[in-house]
Amino acid sequence: KNQVEQSPQSLIILEGKNCTLQCNYTVSPFSNLRWYKQDTGRGPVSLTIMTFSENTKSNGRYTATLDADTKQSSLHITASQLSDSASYICVVSAGNYGQNFVFGPGTRLSVLP
Amino acid sequence: DSGVTQTPKHLITATGQRVTLRCSPRSGDLSVYWYQQSLDQGLQFLIQYYNGEERAKGNILERFSAQQFPDLHSELNLSSLELGDSALYFCASSVEGQGAGSPLHFGNGTRLTVT
Repeated sequence: KNQVEQSPQSLIILEGKNCTLQCNYTVSPFSNLRWYKQDTGRGPVSLTIMTFSENTKSNGRYTATLDADTKQSSLHITASQLSDSASYICVVSAGNYGQNFVFGPGTRLSVLP
Repeated sequence: DSGVTQTPKHLITATGQRVTLRCSPRSGDLSVYWYQQSLDQGLQFLIQYYNGEERAKGNILERFSAQQFPDLHSELNLSSLELGDSALYFCASSVEGQGAGSPLHFGNGTRLTVT
């Protein structure tokens, strides 16, 4: 069964600190992995998309890594800001054409002043 | 702004009723996806349309149906509503029908409350 797990479920950090969120998946065939940021009550916004051959992708203070061998991904947030408070969702695209999106449950990040 | 427009933003209705949620995809996007997000839950895929045709189906109840019109906007119809249908309903669009490499652009959702 295609599945995406994320840890931790929730995380509280102080403004300016770094943090790393984890994503493990059992999805086949793998097409790509995406990280989304979802503010409360809003639609998710794409942060990164990585294919099988990509190990790292950055978007400003967000850096995603992918280890296709161990089927793990991480999202590293540098110098956190209050506006980073949100849910971060790992999404794995499955199927030969990546047509099936499997969503993780998300990690809820709270950045405190 | 993602370019995806969903209306209405909020909807309150009674059990047993029927409602229609509307989505206008981002300009140029041919594919529309519908998702349900219950309180503090992850996004559940309901259905996908590509250029007017149904492309993939997820955990969509028989009481729910959708369609994509020639102008590419989409509607999600929910009937015989139950309390458990209360949720945020998101529409997303992408350029590619297979969604292989293009990002999904999400609207800000319709919050449905069934009383």
